[in-house]
Amino acid sequence: NAGVMQNPRHLVRRRGQEARLRCSPMKGHSHVYWYRQLPEEGLKFMVYLQKENIIDESGMPKERFSAEFPKEGPSILRIQQVVRGDSAAYFCASSPFRGIEDTQYFGPGTRLTVL
Amino acid sequence: GNSVTQMEGPVTLSEEAFLTINCTYTATGYPSLFWYVQYPGEGLQLLLKATKADDKGSNKGFEATYRKETTSFHLEKGSVQVSDSAVYFCALRTSSASKIIFGSGTRLSIRP
Repeated sequence: NAGVMQNPRHLVRRRGQEARLRCSPMKGHSHVYWYRQLPEEGLKFMVYLQKENIIDESGMPKERFSAEFPKEGPSILRIQQVVRGDSAAYFCASSPFRGIEDTQYFGPGTRLTVL
Repeated sequence: GNSVTQMEGPVTLSEEAFLTINCTYTATGYPSLFWYVQYPGEGLQLLLKATKADDKGSNKGFEATYRKETTSFHLEKGSVQVSDSAVYFCALRTSSASKIIFGSGTRLSIRP
């Protein structure tokens, strides 16, 4: 059973460009979470999605950031008009169901560098 | 609000030394508590967890006990190895939310 897949692993963008980060959850998992890790910091929650629904986006910046998890295909985190402050590692996690004892399994992350 | 505080690193130890990384939390209700480990260039792996007071999570020689009275979940290992060098994150999750709240991480380096 393959783990959580993220691609690309490394992404370089110039200021003003768009960044698209993809996450394929583990087989059978219908819950996806995105976290951001700034250099030398812990992970900060961004958004929680189920298939075709955004459940909690309380950690998403109000502008330029969006996320989706379509019925078919991977979850996408999209950052429009990137700025240098968006440089970070973005991690996706998935779980089979929602519950306090549920384990979130993390992908290897996408490291975004904005020049 | 809910938060996790863990000891700042870096922590540098010699091989076979005893390890303690302190972690305390603030949360409403009764959270689940976790330790995650991040090896260089990789994502996070769940190391151990505890879901209620007095539970002890253990894995790969690491242990942590959920102490409600002191709101703590300190990570311990009796004899560390060079391969344990990584960043360790303490984290919590409450029943009312699906997101995990992480501490800032503690970088551990083990000398041969």
